Amino acid sequence: EDKVVQSPLSLVVHEGDTVTLNCSYEVTNFRSLLWYKQEKKAPTFLFMLTSSGIEKKSGRLSSILDKKELSSILNITATQTGDSAIYLCAVGIIQGAQKLVFGQGTRLTINP
Amino acid sequence: GAGVSQSPSNKVTEKGKDVELRCDPISGHTALYWYRQSLGQGLEFLIYFQGNSAPDKSGLPSDRFSAERTGGSVSTLTIQRTQQEDSAVYLCASSLFETWETQYFGPGTRLLVL
Repeated sequence: EDKVVQSPLSLVVHEGDTVTLNCSYEVTNFRSLLWYKQEKKAPTFLFMLTSSGIEKKSGRLSSILDKKELSSILNITATQTGDSAIYLCAVGIIQGAQKLVFGQGTRLTINP
Repeated sequence: GAGVSQSPSNKVTEKGKDVELRCDPISGHTALYWYRQSLGQGLEFLIYFQGNSAPDKSGLPSDRFSAERTGGSVSTLTIQRTQQEDSAVYLCASSLFETWETQYFGPGTRLLVL
């Protein structure tokens, strides 16, 4: 059974801190790993990592894919209260049809 | 441009009743996905439509769940004889076929079965 596990499930830090969110996976037919941010209901796309693009950066956010360890991290530096959200990790697989398998998410709270 | 829209935004129903949830994808997106998110959980894949191909229904939890997509655009997820464990947020997403991993999500429908 395809599985994506995120840790920690919940994290509370102060504004300005740096955080690292973890995602590990065990799937067949791996194609990509994605990070989404969910603030209210609708997740929004952050990064996609593949074998040909294992590191991505956008502003204070960065992510790395470790295909050997079957894992990924999402780093957020100089956190702001607006970073408070649920961060979802998903793995793209192709088994006949193509679909994303999501982890349970990390709830990040940034206190002022 | 318009994003993915879903209706209703909230639905309260009694156990045993049928419900219909609607999704309007982004114009031109051929791929459409339904997910379910229970409280404190990640997204659970339900069903996937791609163009005129037969849908991938492998994630539907029981035969009480069904979905259709008319004219390659609007989709309706139907839950028959609702149960309390069906209470969740139902999210719809659409994407282009070539970049299917980059999915654009609607605001969801929060379903509460009493």
